[in-house]
Amino acid sequence: GDSVTQMEGPVTLSEEAFLTINCTYTATGYPSLFWYVQYPGEGLQLLLKATKADDKGSNKGFEATYRKETTSFHLEKGSVQVSDSAVYFCALSPRDNYGQNFVFGPGTRLSVLP
Amino acid sequence: GAVVSQHPSRVICKSGTSVKIECRSLDFQATTMFWYRQFPKQSLMLMATSNEGSKATYEQGVEKDKFLINHASLTLSTLTVTSAHPEDSSFYICSAYKRRTSTDTQYFGPGTRLTVL
Repeated sequence: GDSVTQMEGPVTLSEEAFLTINCTYTATGYPSLFWYVQYPGEGLQLLLKATKADDKGSNKGFEATYRKETTSFHLEKGSVQVSDSAVYFCALSPRDNYGQNFVFGPGTRLSVLP
Repeated sequence: GAVVSQHPSRVICKSGTSVKIECRSLDFQATTMFWYRQFPKQSLMLMATSNEGSKATYEQGVEKDKFLINHASLTLSTLTVTSAHPEDSSFYICSAYKRRTSTDTQYFGPGTRLTVL
C-alpha cells in the first residue's frame, strides 16, 4: 500500500539556520504531495502542496519540490524562526480520487531556539 | 479558503459516558468527511470515511459500535464515542473533501481533545 517516510526528529535548530526535512513516498500511480504543519495544541494546517512531477510548492518561506525520479518531497526553508517550531507532516493523496484518505508520515518535530 | 470547524475543541468526561464531536464544513458542501485519531507525539491514523447519506466505512481495528459516525448532511458529520474509557483519550481530527474545478483537496478541522477520566 501507499506509505510516507519522514526523517526522524526531533530536529533542533538555532534561529536563522537552514532547514531540511526529508520525505519519501511509495505509491501507485501519481499521487499529490503535501506538507502539513501542526502547532502545539492545534489541528493541521496545509503548508504547501504539489500535484505533479517537478512542481514546487511554496509558502511562508518553505519550499518542496515533487521529485518523481527519487519519489521525494523534501521540505526546506532558508532561515527558520522561533515561530516555526511545530510538528511537520508529509502526506500523499491519490491523484485519481481525493475522496480517499490521506496517508501521513509519522511527523517531524522541529524546535527552533532563539 | 474552505473552513472546517469542530465542536467542542476540548472535552473532559467520566468513564462510561458518551461524547459527541461535530465536524462542520462552513462554506462548502462536503460529500465525504474523514475522521482521524492522533495519539500524543504520533501521526494521524484514519478511523473512518463518512459519506453523506450512507454508512461510514471503518478502518481495520476500529470498533464500529464504539465510534458511531453519522453524516446527516453535506455540511455536518458527527463522531460519538460511546461508553468512553481512559484509553479513548486522544486528539480527534476531521477533514472534509471538497471537489474544486482545478484540484480536489481535503480541509482539516482544528481537532478535538478528548480526556476520559
